[in-house]
Amino acid sequence: NAGVMQNPRHLVRRRGQEARLRCSPMKGHSHVYWYRQLPEEGLKFMVYLQKENIIDESGMPKERFSAEFPKEGPSILRIQQVVRGDSAAYFCASSRSLGSGNNEQFFGPGTRLTVL
Amino acid sequence: RKEVEQDPGPFNVPEGATVAFNCTYSNSASQSFFWYRQDCRKEPKLLMSVYSSGNEDGRFTAQLNRASQYISLLIRDSKLSDSATYLCVVSGGSTLGRLYFGRGTQLTVWP
Repeated sequence: NAGVMQNPRHLVRRRGQEARLRCSPMKGHSHVYWYRQLPEEGLKFMVYLQKENIIDESGMPKERFSAEFPKEGPSILRIQQVVRGDSAAYFCASSRSLGSGNNEQFFGPGTRLTVL
Repeated sequence: RKEVEQDPGPFNVPEGATVAFNCTYSNSASQSFFWYRQDCRKEPKLLMSVYSSGNEDGRFTAQLNRASQYISLLIRDSKLSDSATYLCVVSGGSTLGRLYFGRGTQLTVWP
């Protein structure tokens, strides 16, 4: 049973380019979350999605960032016109359901984005 | 005020020692509580959920005090492989789904 998969593991972009990060949740999981970890910082929530729906995007910058989780295929976090401050580790997590309040999330290996 | 506060450490302990980490959270409506561990440049891995009655998993014991909004993790008989950053994590309230992470407490176990 494969865990959460993310690709690419490392991504280098020049300022102004676009970055696309992909995440496939664990089998049987329908909830996907994206977090960002800046160097020497804790993880910060960005967005929470279910299939074809954005549930909570309150942690995502209003400009240049977007996320989707289509009916078929992985979830995509897209960053347009990247800047040096976007350099970070981007982690995707998935969960089965929110159930009775428990929300155990399992994380993928992350994508390390470096903006030159 | 941060949602989750942890002592960043570092904690440096010898093998076999007992070490305790503490954490406080600000949102009294929080519903779910966890400890994750994160090794250098790796993803966070769920160590254990924390329940109101307290729970134990081998050498690890977690406690939750809702009245004080306080969570703890006790590691007994430390191993070299326990060296990592331990993340206190909280979820629930009005923002169901998202996790709030503390900045982590760094532990190094030396031989």
